[in-house]
Amino acid sequence: RKEVEQDPGPFNVPEGATVAFNCTYSNSASQSFFWYRQDCRKEPKLLMSVYSSGNEDGRFTAQLNRASQYISLLIRDSKLSDSATYLCVVDGAGSYQLTFGKGTKLSVIP
Amino acid sequence: EPEVTQTPSHQVTQMGQEVILRCVPISNHLYFYWYRQILGQKVEFLVSFYNNEISEKSEIFDDQFSVERPDGSNFTLKIRSTKLEDSAMYFCASSEILTGLETQYFGPGTRLLVL
Repeated sequence: RKEVEQDPGPFNVPEGATVAFNCTYSNSASQSFFWYRQDCRKEPKLLMSVYSSGNEDGRFTAQLNRASQYISLLIRDSKLSDSATYLCVVDGAGSYQLTFGKGTKLSVIP
Repeated sequence: EPEVTQTPSHQVTQMGQEVILRCVPISNHLYFYWYRQILGQKVEFLVSFYNNEISEKSEIFDDQFSVERPDGSNFTLKIRSTKLEDSAMYFCASSEILTGLETQYFGPGTRLLVL
């Protein structure tokens, strides 16, 4: 059974803080990795793809460690609008389906 | 910005009734998906669809479920005889090319409540 595991949180952080989320996946053949964010009762929205070399998009940095089957997301200078659930998502290695983690809930507090 | 749309946004039905959930994928996308999310649980894959046929389905997608692309724009999920445990948010998604190489974009979902 292919799984994606995340710390459920919640993470409660003050504005301006740096917060890191971790994720592990079980399918060593997976090729594509993503972070999605999901606001309460809304659809998942792509935050960023995760590449082997690591990638950065503004305040967000994603890292992938294939050997450890580990993915991370770092958010710097947290904003109130960053409050959401962050979903670690992995492809099925030649399968059409995406496998989602249960998500880590972030609350940024004024 | 093009987006996936879904109707209805909410549906309440009696156990045993049939429901049809509708989706309009992004117009140039070729791959379509249905996922569901039971309240408080993770998003789960149901089925993928390409070239007018099912590409893959999960163990959740049993004989009570079916999908169809009745015309050039709509993509539907039918649940033939709903059960209480079918209550969930159902998300449609589409992608331009096979996932793993391209992102899946999700619609806003249909919240289904089976009584």
